[in-house]
Amino acid sequence: KAGVTQTPRYLIKTRGQQVTLSCSPISGHRSVSWYQQTPGQGLQFLFEYFSETQRNKGNFPGRFSGRQFSNSRSEMNVSTLELGDSALYLCASSLEHAANGYTFGSGTRLTVV
Amino acid sequence: GIQVEQSPPDLILQEGANSTLRCNFSDSVNNLQWFHQNPWGQLINLFYIPSGTKQNGRLSATTVATERYSLLYISSSQTTDSGVYFCAVERGGSYIPTFGRGTSLIVHP
Repeated sequence: KAGVTQTPRYLIKTRGQQVTLSCSPISGHRSVSWYQQTPGQGLQFLFEYFSETQRNKGNFPGRFSGRQFSNSRSEMNVSTLELGDSALYLCASSLEHAANGYTFGSGTRLTVV
Repeated sequence: GIQVEQSPPDLILQEGANSTLRCNFSDSVNNLQWFHQNPWGQLINLFYIPSGTKQNGRLSATTVATERYSLLYISSSQTTDSGVYFCAVERGGSYIPTFGRGTSLIVHP
């Protein structure tokens, strides 16, 4: 079966712009989590969506938001981009929650200039 | 929150060597997973091992939950083992894993 698909793979944006990233989970997976990975901070949890509802949220400013659609696909949005938002953004899906086992996508590498 | 420490931070091996990666955590956990991130950024789940020992080919893992650590063993390492190995733990309730900073492994031919 198809894995977790993230689009786009690479993105370059300018400070102040906004960006939307997409994640299509494995068929049947209802939980989608987002992580930000940077060399300085490592893997940090952004938020988790389950059945179109945000179930958990990490410690990120309100500029970071997300949503989940009825088909479990998820999007995350970052508004008013800052240089520090440059990172690899990873999406992980699981059946019900991470304890079932995460499957990660290949990530979207965002560069803010 | 829970602290996860991985050691060593960096490891360089010759192909064929064995290695042990360690993950210490600061509190009791319900779940522990090991991941491998390849040089292209893809994270692959290796083991789901809240306690006990599991083996998968050349890789094996042991978690001693009462002593709050887990070990990942790589035997007869290959160049394709290169990448970063992460340990992620989860405490009861949120089911959201906390990741360690990882061990960066380079295997030379």
